[in-house]
Amino acid sequence: QQPVQSPQAVILREGEDAVINCSSSKALYSVHWYRQKHGEAPVFLMILLKGGEQKGHDKISASFNEKKQQSSLYLTASQLSYSGTYFCGTVTTDSWGKLQFGAGTQVVVTP
Amino acid sequence: DAGVIQSPRHEVTEMGQEVTLRCKPISGHNSLFWYRQTMMRGLELLIYFNNNVPIDDSGMPEDRFSAKMPNASFSTLKIQPSEPRDSAVYFCASSPVPSGKGEQYFGPGTRLTVT
Repeated sequence: QQPVQSPQAVILREGEDAVINCSSSKALYSVHWYRQKHGEAPVFLMILLKGGEQKGHDKISASFNEKKQQSSLYLTASQLSYSGTYFCGTVTTDSWGKLQFGAGTQVVVTP
Repeated sequence: DAGVIQSPRHEVTEMGQEVTLRCKPISGHNSLFWYRQTMMRGLELLIYFNNNVPIDDSGMPEDRFSAKMPNASFSTLKIQPSEPRDSAVYFCASSPVPSGKGEQYFGPGTRLTVT
């Protein structure tokens, strides 16, 4: 089952913060975050494997609430290079490891 | 290190023709994935191989699609016959770990247009 991402799009000014949410209707084994720039391939940001785990990648961090079956990606002090489409991918506990991607959140950072 | 290599990068073909997309995974990676990306359907997993064996092909749209991995360094995705609705960007990705356990490295993609 495809995870649900919100918001669909967000426009930020350089230096502002944003949160992207990802939720699943099923129990999760892992959550994966990727970023895709226009015309390019998705690039891995991070994977979260435990409930309540937080990870960071530069000023981009994420949390995983296993009980709520949700993950959030935090863009802090956004930079122009953060622009792109962010995808969460989820692996449910009842799958063989199949990674299913959400519809994506388009992020535009303006000067 | 070379990343995942896909060819061709662009393919334009007429409806009814056979199309073959090629992928060379990163050396040492034993998991390989084929994805399709469209505006309408997003990023969809078509098939996943582990150690050259197809593990899950439930995402393959129909019998017109087939994928093979004859060895650890090469995979193909074939569409025969092609239809306009097959137009999409097809990505190949590889990983050093089984699906769901770690990073997938995506190739640059093949943009397929079926007229």
